[in-house]
Amino acid sequence: QKEVEQNSGPLSVPEGAIASLNCTYSDRVSQSFFWYRQYSGKSPELIMSIYSNGDKEDGRFTAQLNKASQYVSLLIRDSQPSDSATYLCAVNKKTSYDKVIFGPGTSLSVIP
Amino acid sequence: DTAVSQTPKYLVTQMGNDKSIKCEQNLGHDTMYWYKQDSKKFLKIMFSYNNKELIINETVPNRFSPKSPDKAHLNLHINSLELGDSAVYFCASSQGGFNSPLHFGNGTRLTVT
Repeated sequence: QKEVEQNSGPLSVPEGAIASLNCTYSDRVSQSFFWYRQYSGKSPELIMSIYSNGDKEDGRFTAQLNKASQYVSLLIRDSQPSDSATYLCAVNKKTSYDKVIFGPGTSLSVIP
Repeated sequence: DTAVSQTPKYLVTQMGNDKSIKCEQNLGHDTMYWYKQDSKKFLKIMFSYNNKELIINETVPNRFSPKSPDKAHLNLHINSLELGDSAVYFCASSQGGFNSPLHFGNGTRLTVT
């Protein structure tokens, strides 16, 4: 079992719709969770971070964390063509040091 | 005022050569990383340094040798390059602590022919 798993996609949604991206992780001691966006040929950039169970909202983005189910998700409301990118879920498996593990990414395409 | 900068941006070389990639961060972070992103876009951690000390060394061939002369710099030297080393290599830094996100450099696209 991979440490961090995501649906590879591609996920296609029409402009204005809600895009839902999912991620599961295997290690229960994981403490912090991040969503990064990566445009083609660019470096990953942080969108959201979440550490506690529940929802965290930032503009059109909402991150959801359920530690019991080892599940984290990202919702993008009112999707725009500029949201078309690969979304990487990352988990900090902190033990005695920080180790950030990435999932394989989900490719999102927002259709105008 | 680039936060994490890598050089070179592109590197094309032949099998068997030795090459280096340099990384510098001006964020005052204590922890720096090297990640490799393969053709399938999977981002895999290679090394991590905290204040010049190596703390993570994943299963990486000995041909890869990181060096951190100070906490703002982390270089990656690769000996005897192989075709499978072709990838994008990202340097990143973080403040440290479980809630600290990574700040990435722009990446170095290495092509081995």
